[in-house]
Amino acid sequence: GENVEQHPSTLSVQEGDSAVIKCTYSDSASNYFPWYKQELGKRPQLIIDIRSNVGEKKDQRIAVTLNKTAKHFSLHITETQPEDSAVYFCAASFMDTGRRALTFGSGTRLQVQP
Amino acid sequence: ETGVTQTPRHLVMGMTNKKSLKCEQHLGHNAMYWYKQSAKKPLELMFVYNFKEQTENNSVPSRFSPECPNSSHLFLHLHTLQPEDSALYLCASSQGGATYNEQFFGPGTRLTVL
Repeated sequence: GENVEQHPSTLSVQEGDSAVIKCTYSDSASNYFPWYKQELGKRPQLIIDIRSNVGEKKDQRIAVTLNKTAKHFSLHITETQPEDSAVYFCAASFMDTGRRALTFGSGTRLQVQP
Repeated sequence: ETGVTQTPRHLVMGMTNKKSLKCEQHLGHNAMYWYKQSAKKPLELMFVYNFKEQTENNSVPSRFSPECPNSSHLFLHLHTLQPEDSALYLCASSQGGATYNEQFFGPGTRLTVL
């Protein structure tokens, strides 16, 4: 089955700096890579996702890059703000008619210092 | 209620008790999931249901028994649990079919096994 490794486990940055979180996956068949944000005491929510036919995707201050050859993908947050403080989870899956389950990484706790 | 709801939000039970967790989604989705969230494994998939059929059981002990009577409701029946089963149990749902679909999470049930 799929195995997803996520680093770092904790990350502290100053407000305005950039933050990068990295994930590697083991199953070369995986073709869908979402990122979820979980604020303290709240439910995880999707913030961005990327499919294997795309190398990079941006949404305002958030971007995700994918390197299929190396089997790793990264989340980039620019101009960080205190409200970006949360736990971020990467995930990977092979999306077809039969399988829709995500394998999540272990999470990164991001703290943005004002 | 909108989105994905879960009841109860908090549950304390003894090891000999039998209890059930309930999840309901109001999004018209066809796939539903149970996850266990704990400090050791932040987002661990337990079960997946697609169109009321169980399509994945991630080696979950038999003391956890899922039930999906229809596409909108998902239950997790608990019996003879162990203290290490204490965790946040999250339900999620997504659209069915062979597409890349966002998973929407419920608020979770915080379970404590004494």
